[in-house]
Amino acid sequence: GQQLNQSPQSMFIQEGEDVSMNCTSSSIFNTWLWYKQDPGEGPVLLIALYKAGELTSNGRLTAQFGITRKDSFLNISASIPSDVGIYFCAGQSNAGGTSYGKLTFGQGTILTVHP
Amino acid sequence: DAGVTQSPTHLIKTRGQHVTLRCSPISGHKSVSWYQQVLGQGPQFIFQYYEKEERGRGNFPDRFSARQFPNYSSELNVNALLLGDSALYLCASSLAANTETQYFGPGTRLLVL
Repeated sequence: GQQLNQSPQSMFIQEGEDVSMNCTSSSIFNTWLWYKQDPGEGPVLLIALYKAGELTSNGRLTAQFGITRKDSFLNISASIPSDVGIYFCAGQSNAGGTSYGKLTFGQGTILTVHP
Repeated sequence: DAGVTQSPTHLIKTRGQHVTLRCSPISGHKSVSWYQQVLGQGPQFIFQYYEKEERGRGNFPDRFSARQFPNYSSELNVNALLLGDSALYLCASSLAANTETQYFGPGTRLLVL
């Protein structure tokens, strides 16, 4: 089945540094999504990517949909303490059948920002 | 505008019991998806419902079932609870099914003792 490999598993950075994380897949996805999750909360959507090669920004966040449709990356510039949390990538295909509507998630990247 | 709401927020059950979790989607959204998130992992897809019909199903046993009501709210039912069912259960809503962006609720934390 589809699997997403997200790296790194965790990052410890100083406030003001830039952050980069990525996801790779063995299968093609038609949509890539990046979510942030705080402890005990549901994932919050950061960026949605719908087209291969697409580069999208949301404030200090920038994400790209890989041209092979099997990968995506997320960059955070000039990190601040409130960026702390777990970041998940998720892919969605147009497959029908039992996979209809299914988001496949990576394992998450735990981000710690030291003031 | 209200986001996705879920109830209850926390729940403690014992093995063998049954549980019902509830979800109300964002106003105007017609699709609801359910995910299970075990501690330290990403969410795993359980079901998607659209227009009151099951449209997608993940790799979960038949103890897990769901339904969607005419107002597009949804219930997730789990029978014969096992210790391994302890997890955060997330509901996500989207405008339509399949390719639409999914927005998550805060989740229901289930602990099975």
